[in-house]
Amino acid sequence: DSGVTQTPKHLITATGQRVTLRCSPRSGDLSVYWYQQSLDQGLQFLIQYYNGEERAKGNILERFSAQQFPDLHSELNLSSLELGDSALYFCASSVQVGGPNEKLFFGSGTQLSVL
Amino acid sequence: SQKIEQNSEALNIQEGKTATLTCNYTNYSPAYLQWYRQDPGRGPVFLLLIRENEKEKRKERLKVTFDTTLKQSLFHITASQPADSATYLCALAQTGANNLFFGTGTRLTVIP
Repeated sequence: DSGVTQTPKHLITATGQRVTLRCSPRSGDLSVYWYQQSLDQGLQFLIQYYNGEERAKGNILERFSAQQFPDLHSELNLSSLELGDSALYFCASSVQVGGPNEKLFFGSGTQLSVL
Repeated sequence: SQKIEQNSEALNIQEGKTATLTCNYTNYSPAYLQWYRQDPGRGPVFLLLIRENEKEKRKERLKVTFDTTLKQSLFHITASQPADSATYLCALAQTGANNLFFGTGTRLTVIP
């Protein structure tokens, strides 16, 4: 058990809808990262937050947004969903903002299916 | 464009042999490189980290090398066991950046 909690584990929804994925980092970790994993694209970095502030952005679509709350949990909001958004979404956490000694602890992921 | 490529999608080896996985990168200047293991339906789990000024790192049956001239890292599992069967991902962080970029992974199967 990595200590990172993601909910829900599975989510089935329709095109055009909006969903929210939730992540609680390991106790004491200040950084949260969101990744998308699909069969053809591998693990793609979306966005990183550190202590409530956005720190780095990857290939995150404009339809997607995220935030990190004062209690350090994070939410990833996906809107106007398309079939191609179906994927496994992972949250990861690390102690600090990232650096040579930083390793990531991943949650078990949320499997999103858009029908 | 930036790429992180792992040598093959799948690798099958006999139990007891050494598995060697390759990670090649282009248009990155990594400060360090990490290797993760991912089992089906689970999140990746950290295995090893190697810095740009280190040539080799070992942990039990695992060994990682890092050649910044060749822009390549090799990941070895010696005396492989069926329990080593999983997908292995390399990941790197650009110098000055904090986030990790992952390769596509190699699915290793160790045959008893």
